[in-house]
Amino acid sequence: DTAVSQTPKYLVTQMGNDKSIKCEQNLGHDTMYWYKQDSKKFLKIMFSYNNKELIINETVPNRFSPKSPDKAHLNLHINSLELGDSAVYFCASSLTQGAGNIQYFGAGTRLSVL
Amino acid sequence: KNQVEQSPQSLIILEGKNCTLQCNYTVSPFSNLRWYKQDTGRGPVSLTIMTFSENTKSNGRYTATLDADTKQSSLHITASQLSDSASYICVVSGLLGVSGKSTFGDGTTLTVKP
Repeated sequence: DTAVSQTPKYLVTQMGNDKSIKCEQNLGHDTMYWYKQDSKKFLKIMFSYNNKELIINETVPNRFSPKSPDKAHLNLHINSLELGDSAVYFCASSLTQGAGNIQYFGAGTRLSVL
Repeated sequence: KNQVEQSPQSLIILEGKNCTLQCNYTVSPFSNLRWYKQDTGRGPVSLTIMTFSENTKSNGRYTATLDADTKQSSLHITASQLSDSASYICVVSGLLGVSGKSTFGDGTTLTVKP
């Protein structure tokens, strides 16, 4: 049973296209996150939602729009994809939004923009 | 600006040997420090989490230490195995922050050779 699952695992698309990445967690957690990991392996927080409410938005371009239909899902929609969007995107969840919570990560979605 | 610096950037050791990874941080006020292991092509997995009052915590062959006075942490791996080859990421959370607002180090890439 996968705790945090992301789909698709790989995504190859052309510049200018719109794409979505889905994330679901079955841990009963309240808080979910999206991270971007670039080619240098640096993990950067993009968004965080707690009980479907946005709590962190780290100055991500508005081409990126997260959507949380319920607290078990946090999907990431990206409009007008650019070359610089190529990266691995990780979804994560934690029990609550408190600083002491361990985050559980999905396996990642490797996005390649051509 | 809160920072987390890890060293070395990369490390190659022989199977069976021990090694120590370093993490220095400036996050203040401090809440907790976590070490994650990220295998190639996978999401990070939590190894240890330590709060201000904890000096050491073990997880199998992994032992993390924390000196909150000098703002330093280390991750010691004993009797390394090939499966220890991965990136090790130090993550520090501030006292008032949420988990997603944690500061991530850039990681140490460990390669264990037979």
